[in-house]
Order: sequence, then C-alpha cells, then structure tokens
Amino acid sequence: GQNIDQPTEMTATEGAIVQINCTYQTSGFNGLFWYQQHAGEAPTFLSYNVLDGLEEKGRFSSFLSRSKGYSYLLLKELQMKDSASYLCASMDSNYQLIWGAGTKLIIKP
Amino acid sequence: GAVVSQHPSRVICKSGTSVKIECRSLDFQATTMFWYRQFPKQSLMLMATSNEGSKATYEQGVEKDKFLINHASLTLSTLTVTSAHPEDSSFYICSAGGGFDYEQYFGPGTRLTVT
Repeated sequence: GQNIDQPTEMTATEGAIVQINCTYQTSGFNGLFWYQQHAGEAPTFLSYNVLDGLEEKGRFSSFLSRSKGYSYLLLKELQMKDSASYLCASMDSNYQLIWGAGTKLIIKP
Repeated sequence: GAVVSQHPSRVICKSGTSVKIECRSLDFQATTMFWYRQFPKQSLMLMATSNEGSKATYEQGVEKDKFLINHASLTLSTLTVTSAHPEDSSFYICSAGGGFDYEQYFGPGTRLTVT
C-alpha cells in the first residue's frame, strides 16, 4: 500500500532550528513535495525534490534519500509566523500526490 | 508561482440544497485540476481528478452523482455539491496542475457549512 509517515506535532523555540522528517512508500516515485498550511488556509508550496540531496531555499531546506524513502524539511532561524502544519506529499507513478497527515509545528517565544 | 482563485470563499447553505464552487487558474492553462476535501485537523483527501474536456476520475468512496465536477475549459473547473447534508460541511480546496514541474497550485479554499 501507499503510506506517508510524519510526526503529528513538534514544538520549537523562536530563533532555533527544527527538522521535520517524512518517510514514504508509494507505487512509483516522481518526487517529494513539502507544503506549509496555516490554519484555515490552503497549502502553499515550499519545495520539490526528485533527486537525492539537499535543496536550500532561504531559511528552508529539504532533503531527499530515495533509497531510504526518506525526506526532511529543515527550518532555520524560526519565526513565530512559521507556526503552521507542514505537509509531506509523495508523487506516485500516476503523478498523483499521496499526502501525509501533516506535522503541526508550534513555535514558542 | 501560478495563481488559482476559488469562489466563494465561504458558503452556508441549508440541507438539501446544492452549492457550486468555482476554481479558476488565472495565469496559466491547467490541463488537470484536482479537488480536495479537508476536515478539521485532518490531511487533504483527494476527491477527484479532472482533465479538461473529459470526465473526472473519482477516488474510491466519493459519490460522483453527489459531487459533480465540470472542467469545460483550461482555466475553469467547477464542483457542485448536490443535495448537501451537514456531513458535507468541510473545507474544499482545488488545485491546478499540468505545469512542467508537476507542482500543483492551490486555490484559497472554500469553507462549506451545511445547516
């Protein structure tokens, strides 16, 4: 079956670094997406990885290991506005997104 | 990134009535549009995938006669919730795809409340 696992909730301190992990098992693989979703709003795109390695984009970085079925999203210099849910999604062989349940990130001052 | 609009953003309707939600891609031609539903504190659930000019493909458990999807043009798709019931109250989100990078561009969502 197809499955995406990520932690339900994480807490971090403003200014710190946090890593959100995601493991996936999908029928075929056409890339791994990370989205940010604030409460009551639609998801917004953060990153897309299809090759192994680290992609850095400002304060956010995303890593992929295809052999391990593993990805993480790294958030640096955390700000209060980063409090949100972070959704991991794997694109399968039919180019459909298989969604994780999301990780609720709570930032404390 | 591309811009996708959704209308209305919020709608309250009475049980038994029908509601139409529009999804428009404003600055690109979306060959594929996706409709999602999200209940509180849950992940996105794909309801159906529609390609322009053809019938939508519904996910298992989604009633195609209840959730009517029309994708008549490359910039517009509509979802009609027919004979709505309180259990249909949810956050409905569309996304448009078909770009080179496989990214899906999300609309802002429509919050439906059925009383």
